[in-house]
Amino acid sequence: DTGVSQDPRHKITKRGQNVTFRCDPISEHNRLYWYRQTLGQGPEFLTYFQNEAQLEKSRLLSDRFSAERPKGSFSTLEIQRTEQGDSAMYLCASSSPDRGPEQYFGPGTRLTVT
Amino acid sequence: QKEVEQNSGPLSVPEGAIASLNCTYSDRGSQSFFWYRQYSGKSPELIMFIYSNGDKEDGRFTAQLNKASQYVSLLIRDSQPSDSATYLCAVASYNTDKLIFGTGTRLQVFP
Repeated sequence: DTGVSQDPRHKITKRGQNVTFRCDPISEHNRLYWYRQTLGQGPEFLTYFQNEAQLEKSRLLSDRFSAERPKGSFSTLEIQRTEQGDSAMYLCASSSPDRGPEQYFGPGTRLTVT
Repeated sequence: QKEVEQNSGPLSVPEGAIASLNCTYSDRGSQSFFWYRQYSGKSPELIMFIYSNGDKEDGRFTAQLNKASQYVSLLIRDSQPSDSATYLCAVASYNTDKLIFGTGTRLQVFP
């Protein structure tokens, strides 16, 4: 299996702009997760999908954030009207509960909001 | 109280020694426990997971779980300088797959 891939790897944007990130999970993994990590902290859960259904969304996630997984394969995470506090590493992970609870992370997208 | 707590370190051990990394958690409903390694600027890499009380060994790594004490640890035998990284403890509750992470412990292995 190829691993989880994310695109882009780095994104610099100005405050107020919208950004969209893409995640391609390990093939045949039906669960896909988004996390956010800031310097010196562990990853923080944002949301997760089983196939195309969004099963859980963090209460910390403002309405400027939206995620989709329209065909149950890749997923996109959009941030509208970015703020400097959105600067972080955005991590995607995938799993296949039939095979075990392990979540495997992609390389991440580093977002810098100026 | 944080949900998952780890000592931030750094924990410094000499090459060849055993490194012991500890983690406590607050949710008694927690079911699965994971250890990830993260090198600076990289994403977390899964080392192993455990869900039953006791020890689980995988190569140089041993995870230990004590649900009564709400405590999980990771032992790294024969530590190598390449083991120098931040080690993240993560916990999943019984009714959700989301992982709750600690802030990580930075391990330094010196030659």
